[in-house]
Amino acid sequence: EAGVAQSPRYKIIEKRQSVAFWCNPISGHATLYWYQQILGQGPKLLIQFQNNGVVDDSQLPKDRFSAERLKGVDSTLKIQPAKLEDSAVYLCASSDKYREGNYGYTFGSGTRLTVV
Amino acid sequence: SQKIEQNSEALNIQEGKTATLTCNYTNYSPAYLQWYRQDPGRGPVFLLLIRENEKEKRKERLKVTFDTTLKQSLFHITASQPADSATYLCVSGGYNKLIFGAGTRLAVHP
Repeated sequence: EAGVAQSPRYKIIEKRQSVAFWCNPISGHATLYWYQQILGQGPKLLIQFQNNGVVDDSQLPKDRFSAERLKGVDSTLKIQPAKLEDSAVYLCASSDKYREGNYGYTFGSGTRLTVV
Repeated sequence: SQKIEQNSEALNIQEGKTATLTCNYTNYSPAYLQWYRQDPGRGPVFLLLIRENEKEKRKERLKVTFDTTLKQSLFHITASQPADSATYLCVSGGYNKLIFGAGTRLAVHP
């Protein structure tokens, strides 16, 4: 099966600019996650969707970050305006809760964001 | 607060030896633990999941243990190879939530 697709792979922006990331999960996976991974740290959950509904966005900085999952498939994550501390890799993952025990979560390769 | 801790120092071992990585959790009892491999510039790749009622699980050269008394999981790679060099992430799960450790970097030298 095809993996989780993310774009772009890299993005460099100036602080206070806006940026958007796109994710296409594995076909049929109802659950989609966005994680932020700062260099040297483990991924931190930003938002979790179940189909097109939000399950958990408790760690999403809602004053500047937003995310949507139209029609329960693709998802976009937006940052507006960006700050220097937003420099990180943004990972998208998807899962099928009935198969997580054997297959876990499937991650994309991520988008590396540098804010200058 | 709920925490997953992994050894932040890199683990260096000789090819053919067994690598053992440690994961400790505090202030909660996860329903399961997952282990992922992450290579530079790539997303994590799922390796194994072990549930709280399982003591040990194996997959090819990998073995994971789960000790709920010690609040610890050990991850073993037997007959290690240079291709096993990567960062390994321990992840606790349950109640619809995953908590990631920071990972331990493993370097296997020929």
